[in-house]
Amino acid sequence: AQKITQTQPGMFVQEKEAVTLDCTYDTSDQSYGLFWYKQPSSGEMIFLIYQGSYDEQNATEGRYSLNFQKARKSANLVISASQLGDSAMYFCAMRSHNFGNEKLTFGTGTRLTIIP
Amino acid sequence: DTGVSQDPRHKITKRGQNVTFRCDPISEHNRLYWYRQTLGQGPEFLTYFQNEAQLEKSRLLSDRFSAERPKGSFSTLEIQRTEQGDSAMYLCASSFARVQETQYFGPGTRLLVL
Repeated sequence: AQKITQTQPGMFVQEKEAVTLDCTYDTSDQSYGLFWYKQPSSGEMIFLIYQGSYDEQNATEGRYSLNFQKARKSANLVISASQLGDSAMYFCAMRSHNFGNEKLTFGTGTRLTIIP
Repeated sequence: DTGVSQDPRHKITKRGQNVTFRCDPISEHNRLYWYRQTLGQGPEFLTYFQNEAQLEKSRLLSDRFSAERPKGSFSTLEIQRTEQGDSAMYLCASSFARVQETQYFGPGTRLLVL
């Protein structure tokens, strides 16, 4: 079974500062993917970034980077130069690469609020 | 570039009524997923299709729930004899099957059962 743990229910960050959202995971699979999604108040889940378990380099997408530490089973999201529009719920998720186990398993999320 | 669409966006119904939701995936995607999200929680997997075949169903999907994807394009999720506990956001996602697949989500359907 797969499990995602997000221990920060809420965070407040000053605009233009960097922020790190924590995510730890548990799986017995050798090959898997880790994802971060953003959910604004409108409800839509917006894909932000992906990291494969065998990727040697940390993933980056614009202002988003994923700090992947495989031995510690952590996949923290780093947002640089935060903006007011970054205020939203953020979910960490994982998916096995084994056939027949394609579903995403999500954490409980972190509510990020950017303060002007 | 058309994303995943869902209809309706909001649904209010009385306990015991049947409801049906529709999801139109991104056109070239062959996988379609349904998730349910209750307040304060992350989405939970319900079921998924590869083309028209339903390949996995969660234990959350009781006998009152049924999903179809008749021609491998759009999908419907029906809930029969709705209960107050069915109140949630129902999210649809689609993807193209590959190792590094990414699921793209629609805007969701918010269901309120009175």
